[in-house]
Amino acid sequence: ILNVEQSPQSLHVQEGDSTNFTCSFPSSNFYALHWYRWETAKSPEALFVMTLNGDEKKKGRISATLNTKEGYSYLYIKGSQPEDSATYLCASGNNDMRFGAGTRLTVKP
Amino acid sequence: GAVVSQHPSRVICKSGTSVKIECRSLDFQATTMFWYRQFPKKSLMLMATSNEGSKATYEQGVEKDKFLINHASLTLSTLTVTSAHPEDSSFYICSARAPGGPLRNEQFFGPGTRLTVL
Repeated sequence: ILNVEQSPQSLHVQEGDSTNFTCSFPSSNFYALHWYRWETAKSPEALFVMTLNGDEKKKGRISATLNTKEGYSYLYIKGSQPEDSATYLCASGNNDMRFGAGTRLTVKP
Repeated sequence: GAVVSQHPSRVICKSGTSVKIECRSLDFQATTMFWYRQFPKKSLMLMATSNEGSKATYEQGVEKDKFLINHASLTLSTLTVTSAHPEDSSFYICSARAPGGPLRNEQFFGPGTRLTVL
């Protein structure tokens, strides 16, 4: 993998559903993996920064895992709520962060 | 968390004019600021890294004479799109890195500027 890729591009779930999406990144010269939550018309908000293989981070209903050897990270949302609707971005790197195109999540009430 | 503002949020201009976008860190000093550009449904693409008091470092393919970056103080960086053309129409977003802190190299983003060149 040469670029940071995210899948799916968009996702529609029902309130209460749990969901997850993927970020793939180049595993060579890995430094850190960042997840951001980006609501429309607002600034991207940092969710997690992970650096070690096997890292797991959690913030409320949102959690993330990291596999640096195979170059992927998963973001999980448990019991999705309408306020979780946003675009979730991941980025790999240090100063020169490379971003994925994001996963746009819509949670229907 | 740290707050970064960006101004203007939206600008429409005629082809050939220059547009200045400001990025400010409101409650912290940012030695490094970053400028990104995003095309519809595409990734944020790093344009340049701006260090206070020195020249910006531009990514490959980004014209430094086209996109002038000034980082005159620890709380302000500006991006000027000179002689803008329709193909410069895009979403421009800045971020600022806060020194220290619990998160390694965390960048705080502004809300972005939508530039439309007619």
